[in-house]
Amino acid sequence: GIQVEQSPPDLILQEGANSTLRCNFSDSVNNLQWFHQNPWGQLINLFYIPSGTKQNGRLSATTVATERYSLLYISSSQTTDSGVYFCAVPSNTGKLIFGQGTTLQVKP
Amino acid sequence: KAGVTQTPRYLIKTRGQQVTLSCSPISGHRSVSWYQQTPGQGLQFLFEYFSETQRNKGNFPGRFSGRQFSNSRSEMNVSTLELGDSALYLCASSVGQGWAEQYFGPGTRLTVT
Repeated sequence: GIQVEQSPPDLILQEGANSTLRCNFSDSVNNLQWFHQNPWGQLINLFYIPSGTKQNGRLSATTVATERYSLLYISSSQTTDSGVYFCAVPSNTGKLIFGQGTTLQVKP
Repeated sequence: KAGVTQTPRYLIKTRGQQVTLSCSPISGHRSVSWYQQTPGQGLQFLFEYFSETQRNKGNFPGRFSGRQFSNSRSEMNVSTLELGDSALYLCASSVGQGWAEQYFGPGTRLTVT
């Protein structure tokens, strides 16, 4: 089945710094989602991005489907950006396959 | 539009008991999927229901079951609980067509003692 790998596994930043999170997947996909898991466990939708680039405030994402990767950019990071970031892609049966996540800690 | 809701939010059960978790999808969404999250295994797919039919199933033992009602609300049941069933259980809803975007509820945190 399709494999999803995220890097780096852990990231520590000072407030105000920029960061790039990467998601690699092993097969062609029909969509890709980025999530932020808040401290209470809920997965918050960030982007639904099968290809191209999208921006939402300080966050943007780019998926290059032909090269099987996606990038999540966080600019001017804030302490509230801390948490775990997941990317997920659907298998051929539609279930989401998640990466292991990137744990981000933003220090004040 | 209200988001996905899950009840209860927290649950403590004893080994051998059974538990039922509930998920109400976003209005108009017909697909509900369930995932289990544990520190060791990450996020694992349990099953998906669409229009009251199980459309997809993950690799979990038969103790894990679910159903969907005509209003798209879904329940999952775990019988004969084991310590290893302690996890965060998340449900997600989508319109169900193609590779539609999925939206997650706040989760139910189950602790088995």
